[in-house]
Amino acid sequence: ETGVTQTPRHLVMGMTNKKSLKCEQHLGHNAMYWYKQSAKKPLELMFVYSLEERVENNSVPSRFSPECPNSSHLFLHLHTLQPEDSALYLCASSTRTGENEQFFGPGTRLTVL
Amino acid sequence: GQNIDQPTEMTATEGAIVQINCTYQTSGFNGLFWYQQHAGEAPTFLSYNVLDGLEEKGRFSSFLSRSKGYSYLLLKELQMKDSASYLCALKGRNFNKFYFGSGTKLNVKP
Repeated sequence: ETGVTQTPRHLVMGMTNKKSLKCEQHLGHNAMYWYKQSAKKPLELMFVYSLEERVENNSVPSRFSPECPNSSHLFLHLHTLQPEDSALYLCASSTRTGENEQFFGPGTRLTVL
Repeated sequence: GQNIDQPTEMTATEGAIVQINCTYQTSGFNGLFWYQQHAGEAPTFLSYNVLDGLEEKGRFSSFLSRSKGYSYLLLKELQMKDSASYLCALKGRNFNKFYFGSGTKLNVKP
């Protein structure tokens, strides 16, 4: 247990569906991240929130929409995804300054049909 | 970009020592991290180098040479449970931005 939880752990959705991924951290951190991990590719940073404010958006398609209502919760809203979006989506948290390591959740394995 | 390069896969024997290399090209960074990731699980932190030199933590050690754009993770007394992927990551000048390599899959054999 890393102190970061993610739900659901597995998700299968059609291209016309709308779904949301949830992440919660119990570490008192105030920076949270979404990463995409595809087979044999580096972890891709998607979004960074620091003190609930989005500070990074790495040219992610608008079909991915993040939300950070407070420092403990992070959501990733999904709509009209493509099959190539199938991947493991990892949430992480750290101290705001990022001086220490990131703590990762177990991830959501997403399959888009 | 940071152009982080790691070998894709390595195999070693239980009880042996293995060195996993990481090379990078970057205009600047604030630290280098190593993470372990077992199949289907979250990456977990192993070590962190800010300055050049060796950091030792039990069976794991990590080395950094900024001038050479090079780091390695050294695993001693290998155990079967060390079979996993090992990720090298740079912490960018923007403290909240991390750049990861593709990872090295380590197979430990009896």
